[in-house]
Amino acid sequence: NAGVMQNPRHLVRRRGQEARLRCSPMKGHSHVYWYRQLPEEGLKFMVYLQKENIIDESGMPKERFSAEFPKEGPSILRIQQVVRGDSAAYFCASSLRTVSESSGANVLTFGAGSRLTVL
Amino acid sequence: KQEVTQIPAALSVPEGENLVLNCSFTDSAIYNLQWFRQDPGKGLTSLLLIQSSQREQTSGRLNASLDKSSGRSTLYIAASQPGDSATYLCAVIGLPQGGSEKLVFGKGTKLTVNP
Repeated sequence: NAGVMQNPRHLVRRRGQEARLRCSPMKGHSHVYWYRQLPEEGLKFMVYLQKENIIDESGMPKERFSAEFPKEGPSILRIQQVVRGDSAAYFCASSLRTVSESSGANVLTFGAGSRLTVL
Repeated sequence: KQEVTQIPAALSVPEGENLVLNCSFTDSAIYNLQWFRQDPGKGLTSLLLIQSSQREQTSGRLNASLDKSSGRSTLYIAASQPGDSATYLCAVIGLPQGGSEKLVFGKGTKLTVNP
């Protein structure tokens, strides 16, 4: 099992372009989470998805950001019309069960992150 | 709103020292607390997970304690080594409300162990 795979590892975009970040969860994991780490800041939750469903997107900016986790293929975090403030490391994590299903024993496995730089 | 604070923000120690990293959280209604390690330019590695019903967990030279009532956790590292140099993150996951399962992270403690 290769773990959680994220690509690209590094992405450079100019203001106004689109950024697409991909995340392949661990084999058998159907729960995917996206977090963002701004420079000098802690990781902030963005969105939680299960296959084909967005469960919690309370951390997603209201505009320009979207996420999906289709039945087949990786989860994708899409940022339209990027601005310099979007420059950050974006981390994906996956889990086998929810917290409540595992009575709090679930462990999230994180990917190595995608580092977006907006020029 | 849950907030997680880690003290100190940075710590530099000589090799061989025992050390303690601190984490505090404002809402005691949590499912679990996790300690992660983050190396520069890399992802997070889960070190220890303490369920809300537990008081501590141990793995090798690492020991984490949880005092839910006071909203505190400590990560104890025994006999530190240069390879322990990294940023250590504390995160809690609250009791789910409407399906939410989000981790709330502290900003981390950057540890440097000098040979």
